[in-house]
Amino acid sequence: DAGVTQSPTHLIKTRGQQVTLRCSPISGHKSVSWYQQVLGQGPQFIFQYYEKEERGRGNFPDRFSARQFPNYSSELNVNALLLGDSALYLCASSPFLAGGVGELFFGEGSRLTVL
Amino acid sequence: GESVGLHLPTLSVQEGDNSIINCAYSNSASDYFIWYKQESGKGPQFIIDIRSNMDKRQGQRVTVLLNKTVKHLSLQIAATQPGDSAVYFCAENEKGAGNMLTFGGGTRLMVKP
Repeated sequence: DAGVTQSPTHLIKTRGQQVTLRCSPISGHKSVSWYQQVLGQGPQFIFQYYEKEERGRGNFPDRFSARQFPNYSSELNVNALLLGDSALYLCASSPFLAGGVGELFFGEGSRLTVL
Repeated sequence: GESVGLHLPTLSVQEGDNSIINCAYSNSASDYFIWYKQESGKGPQFIIDIRSNMDKRQGQRVTVLLNKTVKHLSLQIAATQPGDSAVYFCAENEKGAGNMLTFGGGTRLMVKP
């Protein structure tokens, strides 16, 4: 079975541009969460979506937005990119809204570099 | 692969020795704790978890200890192997917070052959 897949794996943008990152959860998983991991730090929660509705939002500016599609895949959008947005963006899927967090599976991430 | 953490605290152990990685958490409302392993160029991989109503849980070669009094979590790896070399993160989850995890800063484990 395929795990969580993310695209693109690497991308380079310049300040002020916009980026869209994509995530396909494990088949049957209805929850997708997004995390930002700056080099040298632990991942930081951005969003959780469950059944196409936003169920949680971390401490990130409105430049960050996301959505979940009927097939449970998800997109993360970041507008007006700043140098500090350079990070590994991780997607995690789960069959549950909450509870068995051990059922949270991470993808390999999308490495964004902002120049 | 690209390094996950260039300036993380590092624990260096000899192959075959036991490793202990420590983590302090701050949220008294957290009731679920998880240890993740992250290798270069990869996403975090679940190792073991523990709920707040327990103080110890064992898996295959790994044990997690939870001390709620001092808000401390530890991961013990028995007979450490070169394949255990990675960055290890503890994460906490608060009841009612969905799948929102708060990660610690991470520790790099280096296993010397």
